[in-house]
Amino acid sequence: QTVVTQEPSFSVSPGGTVTLTCGLSSGSVSTNYYPSWYQQTPGQAPRTLIYSTNTRSSGVPDRFSGSILGNKAALTITGAQADDESDYYCLLYMGNGIWVFGGGTELTVL
Amino acid sequence: EVQLVESGGGLIQPGGSLRLSCAASGFTITSNYMTWVRQAPGKGPEWVSVIFTGGSTYYADSVKGRFTISRDNSKNTLYLQMNSLTAEDTAVYYCARGAAGPPYYYYMDVWGIGTTVTVSS
Repeated sequence: QTVVTQEPSFSVSPGGTVTLTCGLSSGSVSTNYYPSWYQQTPGQAPRTLIYSTNTRSSGVPDRFSGSILGNKAALTITGAQADDESDYYCLLYMGNGIWVFGGGTELTVL
Repeated sequence: EVQLVESGGGLIQPGGSLRLSCAASGFTITSNYMTWVRQAPGKGPEWVSVIFTGGSTYYADSVKGRFTISRDNSKNTLYLQMNSLTAEDTAVYYCARGAAGPPYYYYMDVWGIGTTVTVSS
C-alpha cells in the first residue's frame, strides 16, 4: 500500500523560510502525480494552496510556492507569518481514480 | 458564489447505515468530478471516493464495498451511502469539488464545511 510521507512537524521563525516535503514510501514523486498542497487550521476545512506541483490557487499569497526537490514534492513558505501556523497536507493523484493524502506537517511559527 | 453544504451526519451504531448529502450551488456538479474526503479526530484527511463527470466511481480500499457515491443531477446534489459502519469510520466528512478540465490537474478546489459522523454504541 502506498504511503505518502511528510515531516510530522516543523518550526520556522517569523520572516523565515521553510520547505515542507512530500514523498513516497516507495518511489519518487514527480509532476505526474499532480501534487497539491492544502492548509488547515483546527475546526476548518482544508484550503487549497498549490496544485499541479507549482501553481498557486486563487488568492494564495506568493510567499507560498511549490516545486519538485529531488524525489519529493515541496512546499516552500518564504517570509513566514504568524498566521501561517497551520497543518499542511500534500495530496497525490495515483492514477486510476485514486488519491492519497500525506500524513501532514504541523507548522509552528515562533 | 460556489458553495458546498454537507448534511446527514450524526451518531450511528456500529453496523448501521447513513447517507450523507452535499448540496452544490454556483456550479453544476456534472461539470466537475466530485469527491468525498474524511478526517478522523486528530488525524489528517483521507480521500474516500470520487465520481467523475462521466459517472465512473472509485473508492479507497478502506471503504470499498461498503460505501457508494452517487449524484442527483436534478438536485445538483452529491451523496455518500455508508453501510456496515464501524468506529473507524468516525470522522468529519467533507465534500470537495474536483477542479474542472481539461486539462485536468487532479486536485480539489472547493471544499464544504463538513458533516460529522460518529459511530458508537
